Amino acid sequence: DAKTTQPNSMESNEEEPVHLPCNHSTISGTDYIHWYRQLPSQGPEYVIHGLTSNVNNRMASLAIAEDRKSSTLILHRATLRDAAVYYCIPSNFGNEKLTFGTGTRLTIIP
Amino acid sequence: GAGVSQTPSNKVTEKGKYVELRCDPISGHTALYWYRQSLGQGPEFLIYFQGTGAADDSGLPNDRFFAVRPEGSVSTLKIQRTERGDSAVYLCASSSQTDRGGHEQFFGPGTRLTVL
Repeated sequence: DAKTTQPNSMESNEEEPVHLPCNHSTISGTDYIHWYRQLPSQGPEYVIHGLTSNVNNRMASLAIAEDRKSSTLILHRATLRDAAVYYCIPSNFGNEKLTFGTGTRLTIIP
Repeated sequence: GAGVSQTPSNKVTEKGKYVELRCDPISGHTALYWYRQSLGQGPEFLIYFQGTGAADDSGLPNDRFFAVRPEGSVSTLKIQRTERGDSAVYLCASSSQTDRGGHEQFFGPGTRLTVL
């Protein structure tokens, strides 16, 4: 499994954009980049995934570096509900297990 | 619609006892996963079912842990001779695996197991 490096914690003000970085320099060519988040006392929740191109959905955007060795999850306008631990997970198609690291704990300041 | 449900939500047991944890996946999801999460850590993979069969059980820590999914729907994680180190939140997830590479997994709320 590709190793990932994420900041242990980040803070952001409410209603401002948040950029959560992830380094995955050992990612293989077939690995997709998945992002999950875990709100307090809940199971993880899928956020977004991508392979090479930048991706957008209703929750967030995913910007993937051209060399695919890093990616950034973008929350366009943080709310208090976005306070969670965010996990970046490279995962190969066919490799069904998700390997979670310790993630980034995001705190939103009102 | 109904999400993944897990029962019980909390389980307290004594060292050496046997426990069963149940997972009800989203209806129609063929894939089911078990993870466990210790305090301050990310979830750790235990086992993955495709239908009734265990496709990958490489995460089970030892032979005290066993999981079944006899009809391809509900799954039970069984832990024999529990130890204090088994205390954790046990998470279940399911997925439909219809989109290539995405494999979005839907997680339940977990069962918090405490071994005294």
